[in-house]
Amino acid sequence: DVKVTQSSRYLVKRTGEKVFLECVQDMDHENMFWYRQDPGLGLRLIYFSYDVKMKEKGDIPEGYSVSREKKERFSLILESASTNQTSMYLCASSPQLSKQPQHFGDGTRLSIL
Amino acid sequence: DQQVKQNSPSLSVQEGRISILNCDYTNSMFDYFLWYKKYPAEGPTFLISISSIKDKNEDGRFTVFLNKSAKHLSLHIVPSQPGDSAVYFCAASAVYQGAQKLVFGQGTRLTINP
Repeated sequence: DVKVTQSSRYLVKRTGEKVFLECVQDMDHENMFWYRQDPGLGLRLIYFSYDVKMKEKGDIPEGYSVSREKKERFSLILESASTNQTSMYLCASSPQLSKQPQHFGDGTRLSIL
Repeated sequence: DQQVKQNSPSLSVQEGRISILNCDYTNSMFDYFLWYKKYPAEGPTFLISISSIKDKNEDGRFTVFLNKSAKHLSLHIVPSQPGDSAVYFCAASAVYQGAQKLVFGQGTRLTINP
């Protein structure tokens, strides 16, 4: 079974702080993704990576950056947290093969005060 | 612009009856479609998928139908069970930079009543 592990289930930070969200997958998947989920908006793609040290912007990258130094780990960074970044953050991974589903972690509920 | 739309935010169905969840998309480049199920405080779980070269895929109680000319897909659950109560997301996919990039709908909250 694919295991995608997000380091924190709940996180509370203050406006202006630099925030790191960590994600690790154990299936040797090439692709990794970061989404945020907000009520009525579904899941929106922030960034994704198709290989180590490679990254591509998703649909809503503003205010975020990412890091992929090792194949199994993909980090999301909020450079200077703002209240509108309060959300549920979901990490996913998938193999390089086409037409394969993405597998998700359990999410990090982040509150910015 | 919303490329994938689920127009029903919620759906209530009697236990044992059929649940039908609908999804519309606009981009004809999408070639792979998926349904995910999400319980509160958990990540989405993959349920079933269909390639654009097919019009139907079945897995136990779950069937997905794809109508490419109408750019419409639906998920049928028969018979519906209380454990099916969850939020369901449809997603559409196209390959970008070697990765299968997903676009999600807004979700439909399904409630199965005993």
